[in-house]
Amino acid sequence: AQSVSQHNHHVILSEAASLELGCNYSYGGTVNLFWYVQYPGQHLQLLLKYFSGDPLVKGIKGFEAEFIKSKFSFNLRKPSVQWSDTAEYFCAVDVTTDSWGKFQFGAGTQVVVTP
Amino acid sequence: KAGVTQTPRYLIKTRGQQVTLSCSPISGHRSVSWYQQTPGQGLQFLFEYFSETQRNKGNFPGRFSGRQFSNSRSEMNVSTLELGDSALYLCASTKDRITGELFFGEGSRLTVL
Repeated sequence: AQSVSQHNHHVILSEAASLELGCNYSYGGTVNLFWYVQYPGQHLQLLLKYFSGDPLVKGIKGFEAEFIKSKFSFNLRKPSVQWSDTAEYFCAVDVTTDSWGKFQFGAGTQVVVTP
Repeated sequence: KAGVTQTPRYLIKTRGQQVTLSCSPISGHRSVSWYQQTPGQGLQFLFEYFSETQRNKGNFPGRFSGRQFSNSRSEMNVSTLELGDSALYLCASTKDRITGELFFGEGSRLTVL
């Protein structure tokens, strides 16, 4: 079955540490890839996206992600986290075969950054 | 401009009842999709509407239904509520595939007792 897997369900790290969240998907065709973030008490918002071109994409707040087609991966990274990065992060895949809006999401990774 | 608006924000129901949730998309967005968010499960796709037509449906029982009106506002209905239906129901709108970005509302938190 087609799926999106996020390997880390819970990550705790200290401020200034580096962060990497894994995301793998199982679709064989063309995909658009996204990372969304949900800060405590807020709605989901887009962090970054990959459609085509340079596989290293940069998003807001210093986040970046690398698309590795051969590994079906789209891992999220941030070199130095801040306490304000505490949030839940979701990887999402848009399978570009039909309509809009049908995104497949991973289960999410809860990131807690301690001061 | 105004974001995606969902009402009600919180509601409590008992088993067997039904519930209707409403979503107003961003002005100009014609696609509205619904997701169920539960801890550990992430977001599960329910259905997606475009121009009053359901174009995609997720793997949920027929108790879950929806519709979209001519002004792009959407409603979802859950009948014969079960305890397992307790979740945050999220609505998202999008303008087109070119940008591809989903804009989410804050959700309607349903508790079934």
